[in-house]
Amino acid sequence: DADVTQTPRNRITKTGKRIMLECSQTKGHDRMYWYRQDPGLGLRLIYYSFDVKDINKGEISDGYSVSRQAQAKFSLSLESAIPNQTALYFCATSDRRRSNQPQHFGDGTRLSIL
Amino acid sequence: GESVGLHLPTLSVQEGDNSIINCAYSNSASDYFIWYKQESGKGPQFIIDIRSNMDKRQGQRVTVLLNKTVKHLSLQIAATQPGDSAVYFCAESISGSARQLTFGSGTQLTVLP
Repeated sequence: DADVTQTPRNRITKTGKRIMLECSQTKGHDRMYWYRQDPGLGLRLIYYSFDVKDINKGEISDGYSVSRQAQAKFSLSLESAIPNQTALYFCATSDRRRSNQPQHFGDGTRLSIL
Repeated sequence: GESVGLHLPTLSVQEGDNSIINCAYSNSASDYFIWYKQESGKGPQFIIDIRSNMDKRQGQRVTVLLNKTVKHLSLQIAATQPGDSAVYFCAESISGSARQLTFGSGTQLTVLP
């Protein structure tokens, strides 16, 4: 979805480095999500946020942190990256005002940790 | 925890034929289901959804069928085209669960010329 932008699209870094992935949206949605996708697997939820400064842990939050300082932006941080965090990361948004609405995804960030 | 799974990891069909992609879910409390299409290098793209109070829903060339008795979901694509080649995911969620989605592992659909 072109209205959900993730940066960077690709990142290669070393073990122990701090990394931040950014997500911004122009859909006006209040809910934002971060997912991780590993090869051959579905998406797993890392963190989600319903509003500015609202943070909720997902299925696999260990080793990650997030920040939601503005409605349109939701960032994901790896404080000290490790190789098993190598994956494809997706940001998604949804609209609280409409029930039973799908989430809309960005095109992902491919992260490789050496 | 409960999860959504798929019967077949890969599916190959001839161009012009119909495709059927299946999904089994185990959480009987799930009441909203979505099919996503993911092309290489892109994020999941919404295809069609269905609520648990429905058995069938049709879109453009796609139909989703829901069988709550056996907790089974299927996506039918009519007259499959080369552009339909992608990985297809089903996802489920529960009302009141903050719309957290649980995804299946995906089926790779390949359309043969």
